[in-house]
Amino acid sequence: QQKVQQSPESLTVSEGAMASLNCTFSDGTSNNFRWYRQHSAKGLEVLVSIFSDGEKEEGRFTAHLNRANLHVSLHIREPQPSDSAVYLCAVSMRGNYKYVFGAGTRLKVIA
Amino acid sequence: GPKVLQIPSHQIIDMGQMVTLNCDPVSNHLYFYWYKQILGQQMEFLVNFYNGKVMEKSKLFKDQFSVERPDGSYFTLKIQPTALEDSAVYFCASSSRDWGYEQYFGPGTRLTVL
Repeated sequence: QQKVQQSPESLTVSEGAMASLNCTFSDGTSNNFRWYRQHSAKGLEVLVSIFSDGEKEEGRFTAHLNRANLHVSLHIREPQPSDSAVYLCAVSMRGNYKYVFGAGTRLKVIA
Repeated sequence: GPKVLQIPSHQIIDMGQMVTLNCDPVSNHLYFYWYKQILGQQMEFLVNFYNGKVMEKSKLFKDQFSVERPDGSYFTLKIQPTALEDSAVYFCASSSRDWGYEQYFGPGTRLTVL
């Protein structure tokens, strides 16, 4: 059964500094990876999707995937206080409709 | 971006009662999902639904749970009867036709069972 783990549990960065979040998964056949952001009392906002090894950039958000290492990361360039939220990693496999989520990283960006 | 709406935002009921959670998915989406998130825990898949049928369900989707989307209206999750352990935030999601396509999530319904 797929296991998805995120680190760190919480992260505080200064405004403008790079924020890096990590996600490891257990099933090497996974091929759909997404990063979502969850603000309190709001739905999940999709930030970036990645399907093959390498890098995918969406604005200030960049995902790096290394399936051999069972690792996908999210880097946030020039974070703002409004980026403070819980960031969730979601993993799925083609042909499988469900996502398996990590527990999340709570990011706080201080001015 | 596309919006998924959920009604109500918060529901408080007594154990043993029936509850129906409503989801208004993105208009052209054909795949629908429910996830459950207990406070402080990971979000977990419950069920997905396509073309009037449950495609896959998890162990969390107990016999007391049911889903339907009558006549293209709300996609609903019904729990009958409710139990204390059903207290959680329930998130609805929808996606377009391809497998693993991006799921768009609603804001969740917080269910409190007393």
